[in-house]
Amino acid sequence: AQSVTQPDIHITVSEGASLELRCNYSYGATPYLFWYVQSPGQGLQLLLKYFSGDTLVQGIKGFEAEFKRSQSSFNLRKPSVHWSDAAEYFCAVGRFADGNEKLTFGTGTRLTIIP
Amino acid sequence: IAGITQAPTSQILAAGRRMTLRCTQDMRHNAMYWYRQDLGLGLRLIHYSNTAGTTGKGEVPDGYSVSRANTDDFPLTLASAVPSQTSVYFCASRRRGGTGELFFGEGSRLTVL
Repeated sequence: AQSVTQPDIHITVSEGASLELRCNYSYGATPYLFWYVQSPGQGLQLLLKYFSGDTLVQGIKGFEAEFKRSQSSFNLRKPSVHWSDAAEYFCAVGRFADGNEKLTFGTGTRLTIIP
Repeated sequence: IAGITQAPTSQILAAGRRMTLRCTQDMRHNAMYWYRQDLGLGLRLIHYSNTAGTTGKGEVPDGYSVSRANTDDFPLTLASAVPSQTSVYFCASRRRGGTGELFFGEGSRLTVL
């Protein structure tokens, strides 16, 4: 069964500081991995995705994530956060093939930015 | 602007009442999904549809039904609402054969009293 763990429920960082949000997954084959962001009262927006190839993927808004197969991780990073990055972040794993129609989401990490 | 439209945005409902949440997309995506979002639980899949005329159960389907009469519409029905169905519901769509990205609506907040 596929699963996603986001161990940090809430993270607070100062504006301008670097950020890393953790994501660990369990999947029986090569996973497709995603990071979504949800601003308050909004739906989810895709930040970035990994399917294959280069394990360091770039996304929108200056975010990047690195796929580490040996650690079953797909951590999200940003070198310098902005106040507008305050939101909820969800990691997801899934592969829409072989009859699997399920994208499994983690429980989310809420990011607070302080001045 | 292309995307997914959900209605209503918010609704308070008495237990035992029937409720249909509407979802319409104009991207001609084949696959559509309904998720519920609850604090501490993330998003959980309720039902999905790979293409018009077909539907499937997700991980939390009990108490919900869906239909997919055409490509654009994917309504979610609560036949007899219960307080545990208080949640935020998100509709999403995906182009089959694409890269797997889900496009989400802005959600419907449902409170069952």
